[in-house]
Amino acid sequence: QVQLVQSGAEVKKPGASVKVSCKVSGYTLTELSMHWVRQAPGKGLEWMGGFDPEDGETIYAQKFQGRVTMTEDTSTDTAYMELSSLRSEDTAVYYCATDLLIGRSMDVWGQGTTVTVSS
Amino acid sequence: QSVLTQPPSASGTPGQRVTISCSGSSSNIGSNTVNWYQQLPGTAPKLLIYSNNQRPSGVPDRFSGSKSGTSASLAISGLQSEDEADYYCAAWDDSLRAVFGGGTKLTVL
Repeated sequence: QVQLVQSGAEVKKPGASVKVSCKVSGYTLTELSMHWVRQAPGKGLEWMGGFDPEDGETIYAQKFQGRVTMTEDTSTDTAYMELSSLRSEDTAVYYCATDLLIGRSMDVWGQGTTVTVSS
Repeated sequence: QSVLTQPPSASGTPGQRVTISCSGSSSNIGSNTVNWYQQLPGTAPKLLIYSNNQRPSGVPDRFSGSKSGTSASLAISGLQSEDEADYYCAAWDDSLRAVFGGGTKLTVL
């Protein structure tokens, strides 16, 4: 049984960066493909990027290209999502999600990390 | 504006059958499979349907999915009060990026 545990809430000023972590247990990170999805208050789900096992590369949504970096530390089975040049519109709950059942299923989710961007 | 189009709301009475539609294009739904997620208030999304019509273990068979061309549907039969939630469709597009629908808020009257 895989479990994803995310880091705690963050409050950042406009222009700053935030780095959210997602700790994997029950599996090793190398066995999984990790995705990041965010949800602004009262809004829908938005895919930010994820690892594509067929290409062996991390693919980013075009909207976030150049501003987001997704990395992994296989020694601690922890995935990271760093978003830079924050603005108020980046205020959202950020989720990590992984494909355990089948590729591109996003069937296991972290609990979410609230990021608030405010001056 | 979401890439996949869903109705913003749907409703039904207990025991009824409700369907939620999801419309896309040839580059996403038309050429890739569709997933459906259920999100209860204040919780993370939960996978309900994958590969158009497959249910993960533990999802009741009251939930079913289908796909035709560039559209997909989620059907919920025998509606229950605990089904009141937001529902999202998702698909990958030909550039290997995932796209979501805007979500449908289901109300059980």
